[in-house]
Amino acid sequence: DTAVSQTPKYLVTQMGNDKSIKCEQNLGHDTMYWYKQDSKKFLKIMFSYNNKELIINETVPNRFSPKSPDKAHLNLHINSLELGDSAVYFCASSPYPRGQSHEQYFGPGTRLTVT
Amino acid sequence: GESVGLHLPTLSVQEGDNSIINCAYSNSASDYFIWYKQESGKGPQFIIDIRSNMDKRQGQRVTVLLNKTVKHLSLQIAATQPGDSAVYFCAENFPSGSARQLTFGSGTQLTVLP
Repeated sequence: DTAVSQTPKYLVTQMGNDKSIKCEQNLGHDTMYWYKQDSKKFLKIMFSYNNKELIINETVPNRFSPKSPDKAHLNLHINSLELGDSAVYFCASSPYPRGQSHEQYFGPGTRLTVT
Repeated sequence: GESVGLHLPTLSVQEGDNSIINCAYSNSASDYFIWYKQESGKGPQFIIDIRSNMDKRQGQRVTVLLNKTVKHLSLQIAATQPGDSAVYFCAENFPSGSARQLTFGSGTQLTVLP
């Protein structure tokens, strides 16, 4: 069974379009995250939600809007896509604040290409 | 073979040799550290973690060393195998308001030569 899943795996779209990436975790975790990985493999946190509430919001353009319909899902909507948005986006989840581990479990990633 | 993380982002080792991947972290408030392995086309996978009240932790073929004085972490992989080829990230975890935040290092590409 897939623990953290993302759809789609690949997304190719034109500048100016609006797109969404979906994430689901079946681990019963309370906290979910979105990360962006650039072409140099640098991973940077974008957002974190705990039990549907936004708790971390890094300096990210407001064209990016996360939405958590329930604690098992965290979707990422991007408006007016730009060339610089091309990257791999990873969803992750963590049992925090419950349990002793702060480990985060990552999904397989969504490769977004903006042309 | 040994890397210095940010200065040598690639490390090549012969199969069967030991590998050492180094990482410097920056936040004095970090109290939990994780090493992740990322294979091509996949998400980061947990390898081993260590809390700040420890200076060494061993897993299966892997050992993490923590030196809080100089804010340095290392990952040692014994008897490196072809399946170990991947990008390795260290990550520091620290409290951030009501949450905990994970900040990743820049990664080191490990290539295992036959």
